[in-house]
Amino acid sequence: ETGVTQTPRHLVMGMTNKKSLKCEQHLGHNAMYWYKQSAKKPLELMFVYNFKEQTENNSVPSRFSPECPNSSHLFLHLHTLQPEDSALYLCASSQSGSHSSGANVLTFGAGSRLTVL
Amino acid sequence: AQKITQTQPGMFVQEKEAVTLDCTYDTSDQSYGLFWYKQPSSGEMIFLIYQGSYDEQNATEGRYSLNFQKARKSANLVISASQLGDSAMYFCAMRENAGNNRKLIWGLGTSLAVNP
Repeated sequence: ETGVTQTPRHLVMGMTNKKSLKCEQHLGHNAMYWYKQSAKKPLELMFVYNFKEQTENNSVPSRFSPECPNSSHLFLHLHTLQPEDSALYLCASSQSGSHSSGANVLTFGAGSRLTVL
Repeated sequence: AQKITQTQPGMFVQEKEAVTLDCTYDTSDQSYGLFWYKQPSSGEMIFLIYQGSYDEQNATEGRYSLNFQKARKSANLVISASQLGDSAMYFCAMRENAGNNRKLIWGLGTSLAVNP
């Protein structure tokens, strides 16, 4: 496989459930990102990892818990979510971290569509 | 304050014609980069084109070109010879290169429909 792969593509969960989103990149990139995409809002950066170390957490509620065991894998653990957390969650990777200037192009996965009931 | 403005929520174009998608930005930095991404209904954001603020020539990538007007702070995307597969959401984004916070700032997107 090439590129950035996200699983599952669709997830429906209750507010008391615990689930995880998975992201895997086969590009040899050093940085990985979680974004939230909601209708009528700009893309929201949630977390950034550079070389497995978390470098950004943009005031994300603690019910979202990221994990980056290595440079190729990124998880987003979900627990006690709210209906307003329903959105498309996009994973991305790049050669360098978000503090790099220039054309540090992000490569995105196809997203995980989350619905919280 | 919103830093990326895409004023066209939706656009239509006839197949094989050219279309311009608008993007204006706001920054006080001299060094920054501008990006366009395409998001088809499948969900994946696809990088199209990049323009650096110090690049003297407009960026081009195949059928995509970026009409960069620095004084007007606009970075419009031009798609030539539209194809049915160009139907998608298009997002403009900016990264300021100064300071420690260099995350991408995104617009709300423009939905493009290509008619046969």
